[in-house]
Amino acid sequence: GENVEQHPSTLSVQEGDSAVIKCTYSDSASNYFPWYKQELGKGPQLIIDIRSNVGEKKDQRIAVTLNKTAKHFSLHITETQPEDSAVYFCAASTGTGNQFYFGTGTSLTVIP
Amino acid sequence: GAVVSQHPSRVICKSGTSVKIECRSLDFQATTMFWYRQFPKQSLMLMATSNEGSKATYEQGVEKDKFLINHASLTLSTLTVTSAHPEDSSFYICSAPLVRTPEQFFGPGTRLTVL
Repeated sequence: GENVEQHPSTLSVQEGDSAVIKCTYSDSASNYFPWYKQELGKGPQLIIDIRSNVGEKKDQRIAVTLNKTAKHFSLHITETQPEDSAVYFCAASTGTGNQFYFGTGTSLTVIP
Repeated sequence: GAVVSQHPSRVICKSGTSVKIECRSLDFQATTMFWYRQFPKQSLMLMATSNEGSKATYEQGVEKDKFLINHASLTLSTLTVTSAHPEDSSFYICSAPLVRTPEQFFGPGTRLTVL
């Protein structure tokens, strides 16, 4: 089955700096890679996703890159703000209606 | 985006009792829903896949007689934790995928505490 690894497990950055979280996956059949933000006591919220036919996607301060050959994808947050502090999870899926395999999570702290 | 709700958001029960958690897709139909369990500071672990009109599929190590899943309609799946024990205390989260897309939407979670 799929194995998703995520690094780092914790990340602290100064407000305004950039944050990068990296994930690797093992199943070459995976073709959908979402990123979720989870605040304490709440369910995960989708913040950005990328499909295997695209190498990069950007939405304002958030971007995701995908390297299919190396089987890794990364989340980039620029101009970080204190409200970006949360736990971020990457996931991989083989497509429509199929289960997600989650990374272990990254606790991001943005220091004002 | 699509909305998934869960009820209750928080429940405290005594050891040995059963607890039912509901997961609803509010503005779309979901033939499949997923149930996850999340322990503090850990990732989401898939427990089972709920299928409308048929039996749920359980992940290895998850007791199907303890975690009863019923997908009664295209918008509702329920998870019943039977004979709950303190080790069942956790955050339970459901998700539902949109039809013909790989996207899934997650509920807000249910915090179960078994005394």
